Parts: sequence; structure tokens; C-alpha cells
Amino acid sequence: EPEVTQTPSHQVTQMGQEVILRCVPISNHLYFYWYRQILGQKVEFLVSFYNNEISEKSEIFDDQFSVERPDGSNFTLKIRSTKLEDSAMYFCASRDRGTGNYGYTFGSGTRLTVV
Amino acid sequence: EDKVVQSPLSLVVHEGDTVTLNCSYEVTNFRSLLWYKQEKKAPTFLFMLTSSGIEKKSGRLSSILDKKELSSILNITATQTGDSAIYLCAVGRAFLRAGNMLTFGGGTRLMVKP
Repeated sequence: EPEVTQTPSHQVTQMGQEVILRCVPISNHLYFYWYRQILGQKVEFLVSFYNNEISEKSEIFDDQFSVERPDGSNFTLKIRSTKLEDSAMYFCASRDRGTGNYGYTFGSGTRLTVV
Repeated sequence: EDKVVQSPLSLVVHEGDTVTLNCSYEVTNFRSLLWYKQEKKAPTFLFMLTSSGIEKKSGRLSSILDKKELSSILNITATQTGDSAIYLCAVGRAFLRAGNMLTFGGGTRLMVKP
């Protein structure tokens, strides 16, 4: 069964450092998403991406965050200057056209720890 | 602001018991309600509900949506230890541009004891 792949599975970084979280969505999917889950809290929407641009973003997704699809297969989330409160599990998801919410497939997540 | 509330927060049952998990929502432009099971990491899809009153079933799991009450329930019969997980409810809005983001509830943590 096709999978969304995320790397690394766990990243530890110093406060103020830049991190890039990587995702390989399912190959024929057209819509891409990042969600995050702070330990013990709800899964929260960060951003959606379609046709090489951001289609929707939440209040969490401020100027410190950016997304990119650099080469047609990878989908990355960059945090420019990490803060302690960015520590969370980050999930990438992708969806095919026309499948609405049904086609959402989540990756296994990257646990980001900011120290 | 969109809101999804799940109850109970946690539940401990014994194998063979039946459980009912609840989800209520306040979402503009409601499109669908989804249930996910989260064990170690990624949420895995269980059901998507768009129409009121139509039960979806998969083995021992079933779910139904009540659009009048803005709620849904997830039933698990004859529970097994492998059902132990966090069950997440998420609501999707009607397509706005191409975003179609999901709003998640806080989850119900289910523990099934042998």
C-alpha cells in the first residue's frame, strides 16, 4: 500500500537553529499538508499546499515557517529559528484529487525536540 | 472558531466489552467527519461520514453521524487488547480554495485490559 514517508523520525536541535523536516508524499497525490501534535495535545493544522503554492495556513504557521516542494517528489517544512515551543510531532499528509477527506494519508511523523 | 470535542477523555474496559466514543462539533461549512485510530505515531483512517443516519461498519467497528445534533459516535464491540489506542475525530470543511484542512478533537484514549 502506498505510504507517505517522513525523515528523520526524530530530530533534536538547539533553540534558534533552523530545521528542515522532509516528506515524500504518495506519488500521484496533488495536495500536501503539515500538521503538528504537541505532546498530550490535539493534532493541529499548519498548512496546505497545492499547485506549488500555499492554499491555506493556520495562525501557527507564521513567518518562521515555510514549505517547499523542491523537486516534484519531496515536500519540506522549514522552521527558520526554532523555539522550545516548536517541540512536537510533525505529520505530513497527502491527498489525491477528488477524494475529499477520504484520501488523506498521514506519514509516521517526525518528532522534533528543541533544547 | 471551529471546535471538535470528544468524550470521554479516557476509558478503561475489559476484553469483550462494548464501547461508545463520542464526538461533537461546531464547524462552519461542514463537509465530513472522520475517525482515526492513533497507536504509536500516525493517525490511521477508520471512517468518513458525510450523511446523517447512515451507519458505516468495518468488522467490530461502526460509526454514525447525526447532523442535527452535530455529533457522531464510534462503537467498538467485543473489544480486544489490540483496540487500545487514541481515537481521534476530525471534521473537514467544504472545499475552500484547495485547502480542505481537518480540525481534530482531543481524542479518547481507550485501554482494553485482558
